Amino acid sequence: GDSVTQMEGPVTLSEEAFLTINCTYTATGYPSLFWYVQYPGEGLQLLLKATKADDKGSNKGFEATYRKETTSFHLEKGSVQVSDSAVYFCALSNSNTGNQFYFGTGTSLTVIP
Amino acid sequence: DVKVTQSSRYLVKRTGEKVFLECVQDMDHENMFWYRQDPGLGLRLIYFSYDVKMKEKGDIPEGYSVSREKKERFSLILESASTNQTSMYLCASSSTGTGAYEQYFGPGTRLTVT
Repeated sequence: GDSVTQMEGPVTLSEEAFLTINCTYTATGYPSLFWYVQYPGEGLQLLLKATKADDKGSNKGFEATYRKETTSFHLEKGSVQVSDSAVYFCALSNSNTGNQFYFGTGTSLTVIP
Repeated sequence: DVKVTQSSRYLVKRTGEKVFLECVQDMDHENMFWYRQDPGLGLRLIYFSYDVKMKEKGDIPEGYSVSREKKERFSLILESASTNQTSMYLCASSSTGTGAYEQYFGPGTRLTVT
């Protein structure tokens, strides 16, 4: 069945460091891919999305490119801030399975000044 | 601005109690979902609904039931709460049709069963 695998955390970075959080997926057909962010004590918020191969989603300095050849959707940011400290979830939605969502287990990021 | 609200942010209940968690969305979305979130396990789908009075089991429905009497409201019911149901519960909604319809989440209810 469909699934998402993302890198284990926790990740700790210094402010202004480069961030990569890896995400790979397994799915039939052409899923849509998402990154969600969860700040402490809150629900999940959509960070960015991509709906087809080679699409790049971007928001708040974060980017991710839908790579069908490597079944990946890695999250990147060039210079992280303390306010980026949160848990990040990769997810997919597949029309082949009724648009049900499949989430990764989440990667906790802490940015230190 | 889109909004999903949950009836409580924090809830403490005793073992054996019947627990109701309410979720309301104001986006006229067809689809609504209940997840539980536990450390190291990510989000696990409990139940979802594609329409009023419709429900489908997710991955972990045991010990839970749901009710959707109105389009905007989706309730999760713990028939007899147990300590292993202590968790964060997240409600979400989404539109339907073709295309990538993201899910919108509520703030979550942290339930403790003692």
